[in-house]
Amino acid sequence: DSGVTQTPKHLITATGQRVTLRCSPRSGDLSVYWYQQSLDQGLQFLIQYYNGEERAKGNILERFSAQQFPDLHSELNLSSLELGDSALYFCASSPGTLGAYEQYFGPGTRLTVT
Amino acid sequence: GQQLNQSPQSMFIQEGEDVSMNCTSSSIFNTWLWYKQDPGEGPVLLIALYKAGELTSNGRLTAQFGITRKDSFLNISASIPSDVGIYFCAGQLMSKSTFGDGTTLTVKP
Repeated sequence: DSGVTQTPKHLITATGQRVTLRCSPRSGDLSVYWYQQSLDQGLQFLIQYYNGEERAKGNILERFSAQQFPDLHSELNLSSLELGDSALYFCASSPGTLGAYEQYFGPGTRLTVT
Repeated sequence: GQQLNQSPQSMFIQEGEDVSMNCTSSSIFNTWLWYKQDPGEGPVLLIALYKAGELTSNGRLTAQFGITRKDSFLNISASIPSDVGIYFCAGQLMSKSTFGDGTTLTVKP
């Protein structure tokens, strides 16, 4: 158990809908990262937050957005969903302080868009 | 941007064999990380390397941080069926991480 929690574990929704994925980082970690992993693909970095502020952006679509709240949990919002958005979405956290950037991953949310 | 080349892409080995995989980059990193991912699960951190030349072991796993800071390798000795999974390397420079595409390991009993 990495200490990172993600909810829900599974999500099935229809095209055009909007969903919110939630992540709680490990206790004490300030950085949260979001990744997308499609079937048999590698990890695609979406976005990183550090202590509530956006720190880095990867290949995140404009239909997707995220935020990190004062209690450090984070939410990833996916809107106008398309079939191709079906994937595993992982959250990871790290201390974020100098020299302590190793990321610990949550169990993921499996999103299925029908 | 930074890119990692992870090889091999997949490996099929017999139980008991040793395994070696590596990651190379055209850019330098300050930290190298190795993860294992079981199907449908999140990647689990296996080994973290912080200094060029560093050699670190975790049970049957050994990883090294290349002296040029542009590569790293992971060895698994005496493989067992539960070693099956996808192994990812990740290079870090400051807070930015770059992941390799993974090596899929299959172990035949």
